[in-house]
Amino acid sequence: DAGVIQSPRHEVTEMGQEVTLRCKPISGHNSLFWYRQTMMRGLELLIYFNNNVPIDDSGMPEDRFSAKMPNASFSTLKIQPSEPRDSAVYFCASSPLQGGYNSPLHFGNGTRLTVT
Amino acid sequence: ILNVEQSPQSLHVQEGDSTNFTCSFPSSNFYALHWYRWETAKSPEALFVMTLNGDEKKKGRISATLNTKEGYSYLYIKGSQPEDSATYLCAFITKSNTGKLIFGQGTTLQVKP
Repeated sequence: DAGVIQSPRHEVTEMGQEVTLRCKPISGHNSLFWYRQTMMRGLELLIYFNNNVPIDDSGMPEDRFSAKMPNASFSTLKIQPSEPRDSAVYFCASSPLQGGYNSPLHFGNGTRLTVT
Repeated sequence: ILNVEQSPQSLHVQEGDSTNFTCSFPSSNFYALHWYRWETAKSPEALFVMTLNGDEKKKGRISATLNTKEGYSYLYIKGSQPEDSATYLCAFITKSNTGKLIFGQGTTLQVKP
């Protein structure tokens, strides 16, 4: 199994530009999570999906952030317009739902976003 | 506000030393606790998922215990090795939002050869 695949690994963009981060979860996993890691706040949950449906997006910082999961094998996190304070490492993780959350998360390698 | 506290924030030990760190969480509404190991430049990897009061889990030289009544979990590393150097994260889940893992800030362990 290839694990959770995120792209790109690094993204450098200018303030005001649109940024799209991509994630392919592990095949068969039906929960997908987007996390943001910063020095100040550690790992924060932005949004999670069960069976492609967004369940909790209360962690999405503001309207500039949006996430979609059009099918079981793909999700995107979009920031439009981007701002320097969005600079962080964004992780995607997946997990088999199996009726509960006793399964651990499998993390991708993350996307390091720098907004100048 | 649900808060997960980990202590100490960082730890430096010599190779061969045994060590332990703490994860504290709200004891009410408990559902599960996860431990993850996060090496620099890599992504977090799961160590344990614990759900029952009194649970003890072990993987090689690493073990963990859980006390849901008082709201804490201990992670132990026996005979630390340089390759154990990493940040150890715990994450707490409540019954009211079982999809949301609330992570602590982690304990960063440095093992000197």
